[in-house]
Parts: sequence; structure tokens; C-alpha cells
Amino acid sequence: DTAVSQTPKYLVTQMGNDKSIKCEQNLGHDTMYWYKQDSKKFLKIMFSYNNKELIINETVPNRFSPKSPDKAHLNLHINSLELGDSAVYFCASSRRQGTGSGNTIYFGEGSWLTVV
Amino acid sequence: TQLLEQSPQFLSIQEGENLTVYCNSSSVFSSLQWYRQEPGEGPVLLVTVVTGGEVKKLKRLTFQFGDARKDSSLHITAAQTGDTGLYLCAGGHGNEKLTFGTGTRLTIIP
Repeated sequence: DTAVSQTPKYLVTQMGNDKSIKCEQNLGHDTMYWYKQDSKKFLKIMFSYNNKELIINETVPNRFSPKSPDKAHLNLHINSLELGDSAVYFCASSRRQGTGSGNTIYFGEGSWLTVV
Repeated sequence: TQLLEQSPQFLSIQEGENLTVYCNSSSVFSSLQWYRQEPGEGPVLLVTVVTGGEVKKLKRLTFQFGDARKDSSLHITAAQTGDTGLYLCAGGHGNEKLTFGTGTRLTIIP
């Protein structure tokens, strides 16, 4: 069973379209994240939710809107897609907030978004 | 902005050789993690270090956290082709977000 699963794995879409990426974790974790990895492999956090509540919202355009219907799901909706949005988007989860020892972050396999 | 610089950015060595990857910052972190990411997959946690000067060993991998908790190193002994991947360090502060390093792409040549 996949611990953190996200769909779709690959997405090619035209500029201006609206798309969503879905994420589910079956680990019983309270905290979920969305990360963006650019073409240079730099990984940066976008959002963090703890028990459906938004905790971290980095400097991300308003076109990106996360939604957490329950603590096992965190979806990412992107409006009016731009060329610069092309990247790999990773969903992740951890037992709780924080970065200390014992709080491992588990990543999904990534969703490869290409905007043409 | 906390920045974690990794060096080298790219490293390609023969199987059996030893190597060290560095992760440096001007900021102090309460914890430092190392991840390995293989193509088409997400990063996987290798280790977390929390004490300045701490050394942890994971089979052929040795991780060290600097005394001042601003830097870390990963040493691999007798590299194997299975060690190939993107190595990412990441620094953390309590309940704050994890800041990832710039990454080191390691290729082990058979």
C-alpha cells in the first residue's frame, strides 16, 4: 500500500487552464504538505496543513489554492496556469507539525506538471 | 531567508571510492536532515541529527552535524551503484518549516 499517493503522476496542459492534483495519505498523520521542485531540483514548501487547518502558506500566487476536506486528504487546485508553473509537485505528510527527530516527513511520488 | 548550500552540486565517481557531500548555512538549525531522492520518486529520509557535533552512521553512510549546528556532511564509504541519486539536506527549527538545500546529484559509475 502506498503511504502518500497523489494523482495524476503526469499532467500536460495548456496555459490558462485550471487543474487539480489530489493527495491522500493512509498513515494516520495529522500534518500534510505541498512542496514544489523546480527544474534545478530545488525543493520548496508551498503549504502545510495540520488537522485540516492551514499552518504554513509561503509566498505562493493566489492562483494556487489548497483544500483539505479531512486530515487524510490535501488537494491542490491551480487556476490560470502559467508556463512558470511547470514543475514537480510533491505531497507529503508527517505525524505532527515540527521538524524534530522522530517526526519523519513522507513524500509522495510527485506530480509532473508541464504547462505548454 | 535561510539558505542551505550543498557542495558539490554534481559528483560522479567510480564504484568503490569514498566521497563526502557538504551542506553549509549561515543560520543555526535545531535539526538537520538528509534525504535521498531517486528519479521519478519523492525524497526519502535517511537521517536526522539534532545535537551539535553529533555523528550518526547508517551502514556505509556517516552523517555529521557541525558543532555550531550550521553545517553538516555526509560521507559514503566504498560507494555502490545503488547510492546514485539526488542527496538533499534540510534544516529545521522546531515547529517551523523545513528548509531544503540546493542538492547534490551523485552518480556512481560501475
